[in-house]
Amino acid sequence: NAGVTQTPKFRILKIGQSMTLQCTQDMNHNYMYWYRQDPGMGLKLIYYSVGAGITDKGEVPNGYNVSRSTTEDFPLRLELAAPSQTSVYFCASSPRMGGNQPQHFGDGTRLSIL
Amino acid sequence: EDQVTQSPEALRLQEGESSSLNCSYTVSGLRGLFWYRQDPGKGPEFLFTLYSAGEEKEKERLKATLTKKESFLHITAPKPEDSATYLCAVQPLNDYKLSFGAGTTVTVRA
Repeated sequence: NAGVTQTPKFRILKIGQSMTLQCTQDMNHNYMYWYRQDPGMGLKLIYYSVGAGITDKGEVPNGYNVSRSTTEDFPLRLELAAPSQTSVYFCASSPRMGGNQPQHFGDGTRLSIL
Repeated sequence: EDQVTQSPEALRLQEGESSSLNCSYTVSGLRGLFWYRQDPGKGPEFLFTLYSAGEEKEKERLKATLTKKESFLHITAPKPEDSATYLCAVQPLNDYKLSFGAGTTVTVRA
């Protein structure tokens, strides 16, 4: 019963490097989300997707890109890593947005950019 | 802009010492208010959804209540395993996206 799986769990990047954070879910959920969590701050929505081939910006999308080629996978890409992107990144999914459909979260990727 | 403020930031309790966490919100019409629990190194885990003022939900030692401006998470006779960060999130009527508070970190000592 995997739910939402994120890889890697930890990563250290140098400024200017790029990387992709992987997220996959096995619940056949249509909706998927990427959040970042910084100390003392609430979760901030980066991007979300309502289904394969459809993505949209959240509150803090600058410096990130996403794609959704399948229902299961929703990778997040950092093209030119900056220290401000040091954070914990969470992927989540839900059957649909809102109402009595809570989001299910993965265990996060802890990313440090030095 | 939707705002969610949780207080206190941190709460240290003795085992069995009941207390309450507060989630104050400003939203242009509330579709739903969500409570999540987050353990260190883990993702948030869903606890409750509340939809209208006066509504209450219970799960084991936790009870969530809702008014028009705030929600409370009551922890009755807590145990050490209730130690976690509790997150509150609101969903406005005119959108489906969630706005999260910063959380309250609860530590229960045996």
